[in-house]
Amino acid sequence: EPEVTQTPSHQVTQMGQEVILRCVPISNHLYFYWYRQILGQKVEFLVSFYNNEISEKSEIFDDQFSVERPDGSNFTLKIRSTKLEDSAMYFCASLAPGNQETQYFGPGTRLLVL
Amino acid sequence: DAKTTQPNSMESNEEEPVHLPCNHSTISGTDYIHWYRQLPSQGPEYVIHGLTSNVNNRMASLAIAEDRKSSTLILHRATLRDAAVYYCILRDGKSGGSYIPTFGRGTSLIVHP
Repeated sequence: EPEVTQTPSHQVTQMGQEVILRCVPISNHLYFYWYRQILGQKVEFLVSFYNNEISEKSEIFDDQFSVERPDGSNFTLKIRSTKLEDSAMYFCASLAPGNQETQYFGPGTRLLVL
Repeated sequence: DAKTTQPNSMESNEEEPVHLPCNHSTISGTDYIHWYRQLPSQGPEYVIHGLTSNVNNRMASLAIAEDRKSSTLILHRATLRDAAVYYCILRDGKSGGSYIPTFGRGTSLIVHP
């Protein structure tokens, strides 16, 4: 069965550094999402992306965040200047065309900001 | 958004059925009922969804009350691998292609060997 993949699985960075989290959605999917989950807390929506542009974003997704689909297969989340509170699991998800019921989530990237 | 209420945790023994309840008393006529689960250290995983009728798939069954104000996710024979947080989420059927599930705290299912 096709899967969403994410790299790296773990990343440790210093506060103020830029990080790029990578995702490869399922190949025929058209909607893409990033979520985050701070340790012990709920899964929170960050941003959705469709047709090469952001379709929705939450209050968390401020100017420090950006998303890109640079080459038709990868979907990236960039955090320009990381803060301690950005430490979390980041999940990518995708949704198939014609099936609005099932989001497929990746295994996540655990980001630790020191 | 219509809200859901779930117990914080439930326990079960392996190979026994598990009934996970969800209350959604403010559900609207176009809201679908979705269930996702999150195994430890993994991303959420779709389990099942329904609108009015009961639904079955290879993972679980979904029983929806006649007034749709509550539903129950049924795992017919729990395994240790079913230990996870189970989320009951409503999706507005009138929404467009960009469906964004809103995750609450869910029910943490503990399965005893």
